[in-house]
Amino acid sequence: GNSVTQMEGPVTLSEEAFLTINCTYTATGYPSLFWYVQYPGEGLQLLLKATKADDKGSNKGFEATYRKETTSFHLEKGSVQVSDSAVYFCALILRGDYKLSFGAGTTVTVRA
Amino acid sequence: EAQVTQNPRYLITVTGKKLTVTCSQNMNHEYMSWYRQDPGLGLRQIYYSMNVEVTDKGDVPEGYKVSRKEKRNFPLILESPSPNQTSLYFCASSSRGRGRNGNTEAFFGQGTRLTVV
Repeated sequence: GNSVTQMEGPVTLSEEAFLTINCTYTATGYPSLFWYVQYPGEGLQLLLKATKADDKGSNKGFEATYRKETTSFHLEKGSVQVSDSAVYFCALILRGDYKLSFGAGTTVTVRA
Repeated sequence: EAQVTQNPRYLITVTGKKLTVTCSQNMNHEYMSWYRQDPGLGLRQIYYSMNVEVTDKGDVPEGYKVSRKEKRNFPLILESPSPNQTSLYFCASSSRGRGRNGNTEAFFGQGTRLTVV
């Protein structure tokens, strides 16, 4: 089956620090990959996505590159802000399918 | 504005008292689903619907029912809630993508925090 594994949290950083959240996946087909973000008290929002190997998704200073050879989609941001404090979910969906498979989520707290 | 609306946002109920969480989307999406979010487990799919009158079980359907009588609405029904159904619930909708990738973004509701005592 399909599964997503992401690094366990919580992660606590100082403002302007570099953030990396690791995500690896297993899939029976060819997936599209997503990072969703959940700010406190809110629902999930799409942060970025990549639909084929070597694609780089980017948004709000975050980036992730679809690495088929390592089945990974690590999330990075060069300089985090307090407003980046949230729970981050890595997810995949197989081409032509509707169902998202999620990782367990990583809680990130950024201190001023 | 494109959105998925869930109600209520917060609910405390007692064991065995039937409840319904409503979900409505205004994007004419074919696909809707319900997830529950629990610490350390991420989001797990409860039920999904490919279109009107077409529903199927997800990964954790026990204790839940759904219906899809209209395209925009997808209520989640707990006939006899139990404390292990205390969780944060999300409704999501999406459409089949166009082009060779065939996938689109899923839109999520704000969540319903349910406590069963």
